[in-house]
Amino acid sequence: SQTIHQWPATLVQPVGSPLSLECTVEGTSNPNLYWYRQAAGRGLQLLFYSVGIGQISSEVPQNLSASRPQDRQFILSSKKLLLSDSGFYLCAWSHTPGEGTDTQYFGPGTRLTVL
Amino acid sequence: GQNIDQPTEMTATEGAIVQINCTYQTSGFNGLFWYQQHAGEAPTFLSYNVLDGLEEKGRFSSFLSRSKGYSYLLLKELQMKDSASYLCAVGDSNYQLIWGAGTKLIIKP
Repeated sequence: SQTIHQWPATLVQPVGSPLSLECTVEGTSNPNLYWYRQAAGRGLQLLFYSVGIGQISSEVPQNLSASRPQDRQFILSSKKLLLSDSGFYLCAWSHTPGEGTDTQYFGPGTRLTVL
Repeated sequence: GQNIDQPTEMTATEGAIVQINCTYQTSGFNGLFWYQQHAGEAPTFLSYNVLDGLEEKGRFSSFLSRSKGYSYLLLKELQMKDSASYLCAVGDSNYQLIWGAGTKLIIKP
C-alpha cells in the first residue's frame, strides 16, 4: 500500500529565515505530487504540482519554490519567509492520469508559524 | 471561471441525518470528490462520483447530477466523531482538483 510522509510536523521560524519542507511517497511510482497551503479556517490553495522529476508547475506567484529531485520526493523551499507564509502545508499524491482516478491522498501536513 | 460553492457551516444532532450540498462550475469534469478534514489534521478521501447517481459507503453516501452541476454528501446516524469540515472538489480538464472552501459540520448531543 502507498504511504506519504511529511516533515517536520510543526515549525516556528523567524521572518526572513529560509524554509525547507520535505515530502516522500512510498509504494507507488511516477506519482503526481502537489503542495497546498491552507490558512486557518480557509480552503486549500494549490501552490505547486509536479508530473515527473524536475517538472514543476507553479499556480501562485510568491516567494516559495518547489523541487522534485527524485521520483517520490517533493521539496518546498523559501529563501526568506514572510509573515504571510504562515499556514498548514499539505503534500499530496495521485496516480498519473490514465492509471487510476485523480484521487489525491494527503500527507499529515506541516504547521508553519512565521514570527 | 471555475467555482465551487458549499455552505460554510451546518449543525446537526447526534443520531440524525445531514445533507451537505455542493454546486460547481468548472472547465471540464473528471469526477467529483468528497473529503473529510478534522480540525488540525489533513483531509482524508471519502468518496468519488464520475457518473450520475448515488454511491453508498456505509453511513456515507454521495450523489452527483452532472447536468445540474450538483452533488451532495449524505451522512446518516451521525456520531460525534463526524464533527469535521467536509470538502467538495472537482477534477477539471487538466486533471487538477478545484476545491470548495469546505463545510464545517457541528454535531450536538
